Amino acid sequence: KAGVTQTPRYLIKTRGQQVTLSCSPISGHRSVSWYQQTPGQGLQFLFEYFSETQRNKGNFPGRFSGRQFSNSRSEMNVSTLELGDSALYLCASSLSGVLVRESYNEQFFGPGTRLTVL
Amino acid sequence: KNQVEQSPQSLIILEGKNCTLQCNYTVSPFSNLRWYKQDTGRGPVSLTIMTFSENTKSNGRYTATLDADTKQSSLHITASQLSDSASYICVVYDRGSTLGRLYFGRGTQLTVWP
Repeated sequence: KAGVTQTPRYLIKTRGQQVTLSCSPISGHRSVSWYQQTPGQGLQFLFEYFSETQRNKGNFPGRFSGRQFSNSRSEMNVSTLELGDSALYLCASSLSGVLVRESYNEQFFGPGTRLTVL
Repeated sequence: KNQVEQSPQSLIILEGKNCTLQCNYTVSPFSNLRWYKQDTGRGPVSLTIMTFSENTKSNGRYTATLDADTKQSSLHITASQLSDSASYICVVYDRGSTLGRLYFGRGTQLTVWP
């Protein structure tokens, strides 16, 4: 069974630009979550999508958005990039989500997209 | 304030030795606690998931313990190998509502020397 895939693996952008990251979950998984990881803040939750709907959202500005398609593939978009957006962006998939009450689903992470904003 | 604190921040041990990583949390109400291993440049990989009623859970050479009363968890690594060099992240999930929240520790960076 193929794992979670993310594209591209590396990306360099300049301030003010926008970027779209893609995530393909494990086949059969309907929940996709996005995380930002930086040396200073560690891992931070961005949002979760389930069946094409955003079900949960972390404390990030509206410049960060996402969507999920009918095949469960997800995209994350960051507009008006800032230097502080430089980070490893991780996508994770699970059967039905890890934030649903009393859910003990395993969550599988992709390799991440390394975004550098110059 | 819900928080997750991990210690030590970094640790160096010799190959073959044992080590214990700590995770203290103040998250309430508690749902479950997960330990992840993250190799450099890769996504985290789940090691264990522990619920309120579980005290100990093993995954090969990794053994996690949970004391829900004191809100402490530990990850014990036995007979360390070079491949254990990684960041170990503790994540705590609450169940305060239909859709919970998750709280991340900053991780412990483990380096195993030959």
